[in-house]
Amino acid sequence: NAGVTQTPKFQVLKTGQSMTLQCAQDMNHEYMSWYRQDPGMGLRLIHYSVGAGITDQGEVPNGYNVSRSTTEDFPLRLLSAAPSQTSVYFCASSQSSGGHEQYFGPGTRLTVT
Amino acid sequence: GQQVMQIPQYQHVQEGEDFTTYCNSSTTLSNIQWYKQRPGGHPVFLIQLVKSGEVKKQKRLTFQFGEAKKNSSLHITATQTTDVGTYFCAGRILTGGGNKLTFGTGTQLKVEL
Repeated sequence: NAGVTQTPKFQVLKTGQSMTLQCAQDMNHEYMSWYRQDPGMGLRLIHYSVGAGITDQGEVPNGYNVSRSTTEDFPLRLLSAAPSQTSVYFCASSQSSGGHEQYFGPGTRLTVT
Repeated sequence: GQQVMQIPQYQHVQEGEDFTTYCNSSTTLSNIQWYKQRPGGHPVFLIQLVKSGEVKKQKRLTFQFGEAKKNSSLHITATQTTDVGTYFCAGRILTGGGNKLTFGTGTQLKVEL
């Protein structure tokens, strides 16, 4: 099993550009989520999904879109990048939404200039 | 805003000293998880606590869940350089739409020889 994979590992965007961060898992997990990590802020939940076709907002959803057309994939789209979105982004998956450990991907380091 | 706080934010110890990080929630948690993130890495699951007053041990690590299920602690006995990293608690807060995992702000541990 590859676990949770994320691409790209690094990305530099200019303000206003759009892009999609890819996330995939091969563990047949129902629950997937996106976090951003900023110094001193811990991990903040952006969006999450409890299964294919179902998504919901987390703590900091503004400026991001998600979709879940398959169990395996959960892409995160930045519609119009802003410097405030400079961060490290982690995708995670778990067996379900309640009481199971989360497996994290290696992260994407995004810089918006 | 952030409902799960951790203290201290940083801790610098000599190898062999003990270390404790504390996690406090403003609301009652259904369970709490602990993760470790090595520098440059991604969070890795350590343990989950579910019951009020629960205590679990993993070698030199001792995890506690408070009686009111609003706080938790992680204690490392006789730290080693391999303990270096950031330790996060993550509390599961019941909401109307289901469970969400809220991460604490993390405690960064540095261990000097």
